[in-house]
Amino acid sequence: DTAVSQTPKYLVTQMGNDKSIKCEQNLGHDTMYWYKQDSKKFLKIMFSYNNKELIINETVPNRFSPKSPDKAHLNLHINSLELGDSAVYFCASSQSGPNEQYFGPGTRLTVT
Amino acid sequence: GDSVTQMEGPVTLSEEAFLTINCTYTATGYPSLFWYVQYPGEGLQLLLKATKADDKGSNKGFEATYRKETTSFHLEKGSVQVSDSAVYFCALDYSGGYQKVTFGTGTKLQVIP
Repeated sequence: DTAVSQTPKYLVTQMGNDKSIKCEQNLGHDTMYWYKQDSKKFLKIMFSYNNKELIINETVPNRFSPKSPDKAHLNLHINSLELGDSAVYFCASSQSGPNEQYFGPGTRLTVT
Repeated sequence: GDSVTQMEGPVTLSEEAFLTINCTYTATGYPSLFWYVQYPGEGLQLLLKATKADDKGSNKGFEATYRKETTSFHLEKGSVQVSDSAVYFCALDYSGGYQKVTFGTGTKLQVIP
């Protein structure tokens, strides 16, 4: 069983479009995250949810909107895509506390 | 604020060489420290961790010791293999409240036969 899954794995779209990435975890964790990884492998946290409540919201443009319908799901919707949004987006989950994070396989977003 | 500094890569080693990847941190409290590994085309996965000073984390031949006096958590392996080629991330989790892990910038390791 896949612990943290993301769909789609690849996403190619044009500037100005709106797209969504879905994430699901079956580990029973109470905290989920979205990260953005650029071409130099730098990892930046975007959002964190704990029990469906937004906990961390880094300086991310308003075009990015996370939604957590339940503890097991955290989706990311992006409006008006820009070239600079091209990156790999990782979903992760963990249990509250200094516990390891479990990462999904990533979604490679390419904006043309 | 909290921060993690890793040595810049890429690091290129021959098979069976000794590996050290340096990691130092700045934290306002007493964090747990982690090393994550990212193999090509995959997400990060935990390699090892240490939760308090002087703890040693180990896994798959890799080791790192939590040094509070030098605020360091250097990753070492005595004999690397080609299969160790990956990007390695040092991280800290200072759980003063809800979890926000601080990651280093990653160090790419390439092991050549």
